Amino acid sequence: QQQVKQSPQSLIVQKGGISIINCAYENTAFDYFPWYQQFPGKGPALLIAIRPDVSEKKEGRFTISFNKSAKQFSLHIMDSQPGDSATYFCAASNFNKFYFGSGTKLNVKP
Amino acid sequence: EAGVAQSPRYKIIEKRQSVAFWCNPISGHATLYWYQQILGQGPKLLIQFQNNGVVDDSQLPKDRFSAERLKGVDSTLKIQPAKLEDSAVYLCASSFQANKNTEAFFGQGTRLTVV
Repeated sequence: QQQVKQSPQSLIVQKGGISIINCAYENTAFDYFPWYQQFPGKGPALLIAIRPDVSEKKEGRFTISFNKSAKQFSLHIMDSQPGDSATYFCAASNFNKFYFGSGTKLNVKP
Repeated sequence: EAGVAQSPRYKIIEKRQSVAFWCNPISGHATLYWYQQILGQGPKLLIQFQNNGVVDDSQLPKDRFSAERLKGVDSTLKIQPAKLEDSAVYLCASSFQANKNTEAFFGQGTRLTVV
């Protein structure tokens, strides 16, 4: 059973555009929702994270929107840059156990 | 702060051979994870340690996979015998706190190819 569902699988955005990646979860016990960025040949690195007591968190060009009632959360990358081209994973966690989505490969065209 | 160290970076073995991976977590991190990441998929948790005890190994194929965490610090993951479907990147991660969700820091992984 897949704990976290992520879409789209791949995404192509023009430089300066907005990239949006969506995730959904089932387990209401999850209480920590991080997004990880992974470049080829590297391990995932934390990008931004949110706890379910807030509906939005913004760090620079990256924003997480969280809808607790719908059990959905999304990552928005504003003013997308070619350097943002990477694979993005959403995750959900409870008691330090992380469940990852299947990943979104983002390609930002110059 | 030094990151999570893993070795080797790459390994190619024939099916039915054995292989071992090593992980040194960030100093002071109580929780250590081993994840399997098959190409095109998200990381899947194999085993989670809290200090030197196992918290969760429900998705570890115990007939061929084993893991230990020596003295609550370094960890090794072993596969014996390997199958073709074990080809994947094996990621080690660690986090600081035991009972509260905190950031998990990942190593660069070991890419295993079974031929």
